[in-house]
Amino acid sequence: KQEVTQIPAALSVPEGENLVLNCSFTDSAIYNLQWFRQDPGKGLTSLLLIQSSQREQTSGRLNASLDKSSGRSTLYIAASQPGDSATYLCAVRPAVYSGGGADGLTFGKGTHLIIQP
Amino acid sequence: DGGITQSPKYLFRKEGQNVTLSCEQNLNHDAMYWYRQDPGQGLRLIYYSQIVNDFQKGDIAEGYSVSREKKESFPLTVTSAQKNPTAFYLCASSIMLLAGTSGSDEQFFGPGTRLTVL
Repeated sequence: KQEVTQIPAALSVPEGENLVLNCSFTDSAIYNLQWFRQDPGKGLTSLLLIQSSQREQTSGRLNASLDKSSGRSTLYIAASQPGDSATYLCAVRPAVYSGGGADGLTFGKGTHLIIQP
Repeated sequence: DGGITQSPKYLFRKEGQNVTLSCEQNLNHDAMYWYRQDPGQGLRLIYYSQIVNDFQKGDIAEGYSVSREKKESFPLTVTSAQKNPTAFYLCASSIMLLAGTSGSDEQFFGPGTRLTVL
């Protein structure tokens, strides 16, 4: 059964720092990996989606990388701002999905990020 | 304004009562999903649907039921058989890729419903 782990569980850094959030998964047979942001009491906002054939994706100050063979992904946030404070969730879609169907995602527990002004 | 709506935002259930959570999308997505989130936990899949009048159980379907009579709507009923229903419930949707095709099947989420048992 696929398991997704995110490290660290919580992180607090001063504004302006660059930081890295880690995600690992036990089964490398994935179709894609998605990073989300969740603000307290809110739904999830999709940040980046990386297909299994891709190595990285970038959006603004965010860069996500994927090493499928080692079961790892990182989310890099450049020049952090207080508005980046949120919980960041990593999720994977199983590779069996590539044969059709719409299986759900398997999520990690998230990294709670606080950016100090 | 495209998106996913969930209602109500807060819901209170008495012991032995069934309650239904609403999820509507106007993104023209074929696939819809229900997840449950407990404090400090990741999301867990309850049910998903690929097409109207069809749905599949996820990892924690016991005590829940769904219907998919319209493409836009995927309501979730929390039955009295669900022993620990207090949680945050999230609905999502995505396109459904056909076998052998490529594309972005990014999942989009609604704002959630917080269910509390009294």
